[in-house]
Amino acid sequence: QKEVEQNSGPLSVPEGAIASLNCTYSDRGSQSFFWYRQYSGKSPELIMFIYSNGDKEDGRFTAQLNKASQYVSLLIRDSQPSDSATYLCAVNAGGTSYGKLTFGQGTILTVHP
Amino acid sequence: SAVISQKPSRDICQRGTSLTIQCQVDSQVTMMFWYRQQPGQSLTLIATANQGSEATYESGFVIDKFPISRPNLTFSTLTVSNMSPEDSSIYLCSVAYRNTGELFFGEGSRLTVL
Repeated sequence: QKEVEQNSGPLSVPEGAIASLNCTYSDRGSQSFFWYRQYSGKSPELIMFIYSNGDKEDGRFTAQLNKASQYVSLLIRDSQPSDSATYLCAVNAGGTSYGKLTFGQGTILTVHP
Repeated sequence: SAVISQKPSRDICQRGTSLTIQCQVDSQVTMMFWYRQQPGQSLTLIATANQGSEATYESGFVIDKFPISRPNLTFSTLTVSNMSPEDSSIYLCSVAYRNTGELFFGEGSRLTVL
């Protein structure tokens, strides 16, 4: 059974702080990893994806991947109240299965002024 | 990324009825998928919508309950048949790009079954 586990929330951080969201996955053959943001009542919005071990930065967001530890994280620097949402980690087995993602249960992030 | 439009955006349905959700993409895409998000839950893949052939269903989902059509590269429908309250969910159309594997979602269709 392929599983994706995210750190339990909700997570509350003050405005301007770094929010750290974590995710582990069980399928060692997983190839690509995605972070989505979902505002209440809205559909998921892709923030970042990462394939290779290490860090990938995009603005205030940094995704970190460690395949040996089967761990992927998302750091949000200078958190803003507008970052308050549910963050979903998703994993893809790769190969011909692109688009077929296994999602974690999500972590609710609240950024308070 | 493509613009993905779904209709209806929400509906309230009676038990035992069926509802068809439409998904229109503004560009030709190879891969289209249907996901479900039950209340308070994460997303689960229902099936891959294959252009011109039968959809490929994931474990736990069957064609009789969730018939899917994809007549061309920009359009797909998902029907939720013989609905029960357990079918109350958000149904999401999505498209993926082969070169990056990125998956993008439509706005979703929120179904409530009474």
